[in-house]
Amino acid sequence: GIQVEQSPPDLILQEGANSTLRCNFSDSVNNLQWFHQNPWGQLINLFYIPSGTKQNGRLSATTVATERYSLLYISSSQTTDSGVYFCITGGFKTIFGAGTRLFVKA
Amino acid sequence: DVKVTQSSRYLVKRTGEKVFLECVQDMDHENMFWYRQDPGLGLRLIYFSYDVKMKEKGDIPEGYSVSREKKERFSLILESASTNQTSMYLCASSLPPGYEQYFGPGTRLTVT
Repeated sequence: GIQVEQSPPDLILQEGANSTLRCNFSDSVNNLQWFHQNPWGQLINLFYIPSGTKQNGRLSATTVATERYSLLYISSSQTTDSGVYFCITGGFKTIFGAGTRLFVKA
Repeated sequence: DVKVTQSSRYLVKRTGEKVFLECVQDMDHENMFWYRQDPGLGLRLIYFSYDVKMKEKGDIPEGYSVSREKKERFSLILESASTNQTSMYLCASSLPPGYEQYFGPGTRLTVT
């Protein structure tokens, strides 16, 4: 089955810094989502992005399906961006990446 | 806005008890999912349902059952709770498979 790898596994940023999170998948996919899991465990939808580029405020995402990767950009990071970022793909059998744990220092 | 709600945020049960976790979505989604999340193991699919009364096993169905009598409601049942079922349980819903999933807030279940 499809494997999803996320990098880096851990990231520490100073408030205001920019960052790029990456999601690689082992085979072609026709759907991809990015989530942020906050410290209370809630999974918050960031982007549904099977291909192309989307932007929402300080966050943007790009998926290059032909090259089997997706990137999540966080600009001007804030302490509230801390948490774990997941990418997922799949139909009924959802496949999760292991996540990138982000900590933003004040 | 899609809303997925779960019956409890925190739950403490004793070993051997029967436990019901309820999930309700308000967007007429066909598909609903139950996951558990454990440190070091990530999120794993327990069961999913693609229609009323229809269900399929996920990756770790042992020790669990599910019920979907109405489109908006998907219940996870622990017939006889055990300590290794202490976990965070997350429910999700979506339109046809592969479409955007929406998650509930999660239930932290502790079995003592």
